[in-house]
Amino acid sequence: QKEVEQNSGPLSVPEGAIASLNCTYSDRGSQSFFWYRQYSGKSPELIMSIYSNGDKEDGRFTAQLNKASQYVSLLIRDSQPSDSATYLCAPEHNAGNMLTFGGGTRLMVKP
Amino acid sequence: DGGITQSPKYLFRKEGQNVTLSCEQNLNHDAMYWYRQDPGQGLRLIYYSQIVNDFQKGDIAEGYSVSREKKESFPLTVTSAQKNPTAFYLCASSMGLPRGTQYFGPGTRLLVL
Repeated sequence: QKEVEQNSGPLSVPEGAIASLNCTYSDRGSQSFFWYRQYSGKSPELIMSIYSNGDKEDGRFTAQLNKASQYVSLLIRDSQPSDSATYLCAPEHNAGNMLTFGGGTRLMVKP
Repeated sequence: DGGITQSPKYLFRKEGQNVTLSCEQNLNHDAMYWYRQDPGQGLRLIYYSQIVNDFQKGDIAEGYSVSREKKESFPLTVTSAQKNPTAFYLCASSMGLPRGTQYFGPGTRLLVL
């Protein structure tokens, strides 16, 4: 059983739409969750972090966390072609300081 | 200008050869990590170090070795025992505290001749 599950995609959305990226995880002790964006051939860059149940908004991005369901999501509003990338979900291990990465969801935003 | 640097950007390895990938950070971070990424896959942890002169194996440490003699530097050696080394190698660092964000270097792409 994979520890972090993400739909590999590609998820295709039209420009201006909302993109919804989902992630489930198996470590019930995980307390911190990170979303990274990775453009093709580049290294991951941090988009959002979330630690408490509920929603956290930062500009066009909203992270949602439900620890009881072991589910975390990332919403991108007003999607732009520049948002086209692979999005990696990374819960922190229960022991702290360590991340487990999902396989990523490839997002394609079409003009 | 703070950040994480990795060199070289591309590296070619011959059969039976050991190669070393460089990772340097000037963020004053305590923890450093090495990941491997295969095409279309997520990141897998090779080794990590929480403090100088100490490091631990990650999920796929076989065929790799590391050292942490300085806080700023965490080089990775891909040994001849690693039979399938072709991948994108990423170095990261963090403050080493719970909830500590990991920041990534630009990566090294290793290819086998």
